Amino acid sequence: GAGVSQSPRYKVAKRGQDVALRCDPISGHVSLFWYQQALGQGPEFLTYFQNEAQLDKSGLPSDRFFAERPEGSVSTLKIQRTQQEDSAVYLCATSRGDSNQPQHFGDGTRLSIL
Amino acid sequence: GQNIDQPTEMTATEGAIVQINCTYQTSGFNGLFWYQQHAGEAPTFLSYNVLDGLEEKGRFSSFLSRSKGYSYLLLKELQMKDSASYLCAVHHAGNNRKLIWGLGTSLAVNP
Repeated sequence: GAGVSQSPRYKVAKRGQDVALRCDPISGHVSLFWYQQALGQGPEFLTYFQNEAQLDKSGLPSDRFFAERPEGSVSTLKIQRTQQEDSAVYLCATSRGDSNQPQHFGDGTRLSIL
Repeated sequence: GQNIDQPTEMTATEGAIVQINCTYQTSGFNGLFWYQQHAGEAPTFLSYNVLDGLEEKGRFSSFLSRSKGYSYLLLKELQMKDSASYLCAVHHAGNNRKLIWGLGTSLAVNP
């Protein structure tokens, strides 16, 4: 497709379960970002990839959060031993990589931890 | 530290003009973006400013003053569909290129 695609659109998990969220970038976009957005808040940066290299993971809230982009295209955000405070919308955004290029967002995955 | 301030809520009337302000204090600056986000949807790109001045794009314009750490988004000829959250985001300098986001301004356009 033409846009950033995220799956699943909605995810409900029990506390303690592991979840994996997928992001398919726009073709040719080298930069990929993961954000966490709570209701009524702006997105909070989690991590950034340039191609397959994870250049910044300073926003990951704990070592339960892990992201990968092994072939420089599709990325997966994994959350282990989920907690209720992990409930949020997880947004993936990609860009061509030049600093003045906008980030294009997927529709996000709404994660609810019961 | 990093700080971006926007008004939480604004109300305007259909057909009117509204200005949404954003002030920022960040350790690095490489441009400022405005995004629109409707409830339950992803943010969509509106504008980008890196130099001082006004950028006009149809009904939407964005202004930047780097010396004042200030930007605004101007929406003209408001339509009901413009009711949304408007997010100001500063492009962080350096090689991580992350965006630092404000909390967003929720705009309600009334008939």
